[in-house]
Amino acid sequence: QVQLVESGGGLVKPGGSLRLSCSVSGFTFSDFYMSWIRQAPGKGLECLSYISASGKTIYYADSVKGRFTISRDNAKNSVFLQMTSLRAEDTAIYYCARAVIVPTASWFDPWGQGTLVTVSS
Amino acid sequence: SYELTQPPSVSVSPGQTAKITCSGDALSKQYVSWYQQKRGQAPVVVIYKDTMRPSGIPERFSGSNSGTAVTLTISGAQAEDEAVYYCQSADSSYTFGDVVFGGGTTLTVL
Repeated sequence: QVQLVESGGGLVKPGGSLRLSCSVSGFTFSDFYMSWIRQAPGKGLECLSYISASGKTIYYADSVKGRFTISRDNAKNSVFLQMTSLRAEDTAIYYCARAVIVPTASWFDPWGQGTLVTVSS
Repeated sequence: SYELTQPPSVSVSPGQTAKITCSGDALSKQYVSWYQQKRGQAPVVVIYKDTMRPSGIPERFSGSNSGTAVTLTISGAQAEDEAVYYCQSADSSYTFGDVVFGGGTTLTVL
């Protein structure tokens, strides 16, 4: 059974840092792109970042470029999101999702249950 | 930046067909996926590559693409289909580009 479990969320002050983790099981982790997608309270979905199976291809949304860093450890079946210079508008549920990214198509399946990040003083 | 546009809400009676549209400039060049998000839950993909249905998704869910708009159709909608539905695609300007989600459509089955 495919499972993605996020951890590391919590309350952080503006300007602070947080590291999210996503532990994966049930499929060959090193064969797949992985991604982080967030959802602000009552809002829609925003793809923040994805990383290729080897880690060589990485994408960041403009909203987090220079502040967030995605990485993966294929030996530990885990993907991470290091978040720095956090702002109030980064408050959201952060989902980890397995991604398929090819030249003319992309989709995310499955998703983890999400971890809540709250940025507030 | 690239945008996908969805209607905010769609309402149908049980057993009727619900159609949710998603429009964007690059839909003739990039496939679209659809996600269902029920209250308090993570999204689940119901259609990918415009028309493909993952295993476990009921046959009443289908997708189509006219080139400038894509449509998610739920034939014989059921109360359990009440959810927010998001379309998702990518900016076609380069191979590995911006992934974009539509703003979401709330489907009410009443």
